[in-house]
Amino acid sequence: AQSVTQLGSHVSVSEGALVLLRCNYSSSVPPYLFWYVQYPNQGLQLLLKYTSAATLVKGINGFEAEFKKSETSFHLTKPSAHMSDAAEYFCAVSGTSSASKIIFGSGTRLSIRP
Amino acid sequence: SAVISQKPSRDICQRGTSLTIQCQVDSQVTMMFWYRQQPGQSLTLIATANQGSEATYESGFVIDKFPISRPNLTFSTLTVSNMSPEDSSIYLCSVESGGPGRAYGYTFGSGTRLTVV
Repeated sequence: AQSVTQLGSHVSVSEGALVLLRCNYSSSVPPYLFWYVQYPNQGLQLLLKYTSAATLVKGINGFEAEFKKSETSFHLTKPSAHMSDAAEYFCAVSGTSSASKIIFGSGTRLSIRP
Repeated sequence: SAVISQKPSRDICQRGTSLTIQCQVDSQVTMMFWYRQQPGQSLTLIATANQGSEATYESGFVIDKFPISRPNLTFSTLTVSNMSPEDSSIYLCSVESGGPGRAYGYTFGSGTRLTVV
């Protein structure tokens, strides 16, 4: 069984500050891990994914995430927040087989203060 | 990755009626997925739609309430039947991005925001 826990339903940072969104996973098999972003009134957009290659994954819009097996974590970071980063962020996990389902975390709403 | 067109983008419906949501993909895909996102919550998988076979429903979702059609490899519909206010949610369709296998992630439609009054 797989699950994802996102710590903090709402994170607020100042423009230009570091963004850190936390995600811990549980998986009985080697996982694939994803971060998605959802802007208001839109669908989900893939930010980045970990698929057992490099543990530090770079995505779009300056975001990156590091897979840490020892900590079962996949935290999302961005060095300098922009106002346009305000959105809902979802961490997700799946197994590697074609029959695996993707399981989403509860989401973290990121607000940016001017 | 695939481009998905989903419609309607939003609708306000009377309780007891039904709404059919359409999802069109610009390439052929084996599986299409339907999700529900209740207000302020995460995504829950409703069912997986394979072309040429019955959809596979997740626990808590039944075909009578959420009938799905998958007439070809680029199109699917989800119907929300006999609606009640509890069905007010965003409904999203999704396909695997770039090919089969979870390594590519998923591409999502823009969603249908349903309000039942």
